[in-house]
Amino acid sequence: KAGVTQTPRYLIKTRGQQVTLSCSPISGHRSVSWYQQTPGQGLQFLFEYFSETQRNKGNFPGRFSGRQFSNSRSEMNVSTLELGDSALYLCASKRTGDNYEQYFGPGTRLTVT
Amino acid sequence: DQQVKQNSPSLSVQEGRISILNCDYTNSMFDYFLWYKKYPAEGPTFLISISSIKDKNEDGRFTVFLNKSAKHLSLHIVPSQPGDSAVYFCAASWGDTGTASKLTFGTGTRLQVTL
Repeated sequence: KAGVTQTPRYLIKTRGQQVTLSCSPISGHRSVSWYQQTPGQGLQFLFEYFSETQRNKGNFPGRFSGRQFSNSRSEMNVSTLELGDSALYLCASKRTGDNYEQYFGPGTRLTVT
Repeated sequence: DQQVKQNSPSLSVQEGRISILNCDYTNSMFDYFLWYKKYPAEGPTFLISISSIKDKNEDGRFTVFLNKSAKHLSLHIVPSQPGDSAVYFCAASWGDTGTASKLTFGTGTRLQVTL
């Protein structure tokens, strides 16, 4: 069974630009969550989608948004990029009702210059 | 407010010995705990989990112990192998498994297993 895939793997953007990251969950997984990992803050929850609806949101500004499609694939968007948005963005998928185990993709490394 | 804490940023253990990684939490609502392992430039890999109704869960070389009264859990790796060298994250969650997917992570402990 294929794991969680994320595209692109690496991205360099300039301050003020916007970026869209993509995530394909494990087949059959309907819940997709996004996390940001930075050296200073560790792994922090951004938001979670299930059946195309955002069910949970972390403590991030409105510049961070996401969506989920009917095939469970998800995208996250960051507008008006700031230097502090440089991070590894991780997507994780989960089977409905399967305890709390989430399975992570390899991440997208975003660098904002 | 760091609800999940891993107070040891790093740990060095000899191959074949036991590695013990510790994690403390403050939120008494947490009822499910997980350990993840992470290599550089890769996503975290799920290792083992434990529900708050248990105090021990074992899977091969990995055992997780939970002490609810102390709000403390630990991961034991026996015997430690060089391939275990990675950053280990403790994570916690609570609520209905059908709706709650938010994981709160600790800051990680870098384990180095030496020959």
